Amino acid sequence: DVKVTQSSRYLVKRTGEKVFLECVQDMDHENMFWYRQDPGLGLRLIYFSYDVKMKEKGDIPEGYSVSREKKERFSLILESASTNQTSMYLCASRQQAGELFFGEGSRLTVL
Amino acid sequence: GQSLEQPSEVTAVEGAIVQINCTYQTSGFYGLSWYQQHDGGAPTFLSYNALDGLEETGRFSSFLSRSDSYGYLLLQELQMKDSASYFCAVRSSGNTPLVFGKGTRLSVIA
Repeated sequence: DVKVTQSSRYLVKRTGEKVFLECVQDMDHENMFWYRQDPGLGLRLIYFSYDVKMKEKGDIPEGYSVSREKKERFSLILESASTNQTSMYLCASRQQAGELFFGEGSRLTVL
Repeated sequence: GQSLEQPSEVTAVEGAIVQINCTYQTSGFYGLSWYQQHDGGAPTFLSYNALDGLEETGRFSSFLSRSDSYGYLLLQELQMKDSASYFCAVRSSGNTPLVFGKGTRLSVIA
């Protein structure tokens, strides 16, 4: 069974903290994505990666960075968390132009 | 840029049929996808239309009209478990990221 695993389902952090959200897929997919989901705004693309060590900015990259050192792992980094980054973060992967497979999400609260 | 419009909420009765519409504006078009998301869960893929017409998968069907920049998801024989959010999504070319609509929350009532 295909699987995208996000390391933390729920996190609570303080303003200014550095936050790492980890995502691992076991399907050997080339493409990986980070979206954030907020009520009434749907899913918005933060960053994506087509291959190891490659990264591309999505629609809302400000305040975020990513790392893809291995094909199966794509990390989202909040260098200095702020309250407006409180959100649900969804990682997804796919093979080329195929369907997206999502993780269960990481709900981040920044106090 | 790309934008998608879909209704924010729809309510329908168990056993009935419901249609969720999606209109889009894109600089290029490679297909319209639909995803389902239950509360607290991950979005899951439902269907994909690259060409005009109707695609059927069990109780769910999806339709596309590229000339009208319009598609819909049709759910038949509604069940309570169909209560969820439904997202349409497009991409401008084969390997570009999906851009999602804001989602339609479907409530199925008895």
